Amino acid sequence: GENVEQHPSTLSVQEGDSAVIKCTYSDSASNYFPWYKQELGKRPQLIIDIRSNVGEKKDQRIAVTLNKTAKHFSLHITETQPEDSAVYFCAATIYVWGSQGNLIFGKGTKLSVKP
Amino acid sequence: GAGVSQTPSNKVTEKGKYVELRCDPISGHTALYWYRQSLGQGPEFLIYFQGTGAADDSGLPNDRFFAVRPEGSVSTLKIQRTERGDSAVYLCASSPAALAGPTDTQYFGPGTRLTVL
Repeated sequence: GENVEQHPSTLSVQEGDSAVIKCTYSDSASNYFPWYKQELGKRPQLIIDIRSNVGEKKDQRIAVTLNKTAKHFSLHITETQPEDSAVYFCAATIYVWGSQGNLIFGKGTKLSVKP
Repeated sequence: GAGVSQTPSNKVTEKGKYVELRCDPISGHTALYWYRQSLGQGPEFLIYFQGTGAADDSGLPNDRFFAVRPEGSVSTLKIQRTERGDSAVYLCASSPAALAGPTDTQYFGPGTRLTVL
């Protein structure tokens, strides 16, 4: 089955710096890769996702890149702010038209942005 | 609009007891997922419903765990003979899974924190 590895487990950056979180997956059939942000005691919330037919997607300060050959994908946050502090999870699944399978999550990255 | 809701928010029980955890998905969402999240870990898949039927229950750890969704909306996760190792946050998620168009995001509920003493 699918296995998702996520690095680093913790990341501390200065406000305004960039943060990069990397994930690898094992199942080459996986074709949908969402990223979730989870604040302490709160529910996971989708921040960005990418499908296997594109290599990069951007949304303001957040971008995700996907390398299908190497089976890895990364989250990039630019101009970090203290409110970006949270645990970030990557995930992978096989998406077929009209049906999304269960998400396989990485172990998470705790991002701390210091003012 | 209303998001995914889960009740109770916290449940404390004794080892060996039976518990039920409820999930109310976003109205109209046909797909419903249960995950379990242990401290410091990512959510771990348990079971996925498409409508009333369980499309994939391969994540249920053993036969003490069971889930139902009789009318294709609300779902209940049932745990028999609870063990201390069952302590975790149980998350529910739903998605539209519209057959006429691309599937949308899985939206998560706030979770039920289960503590087995």
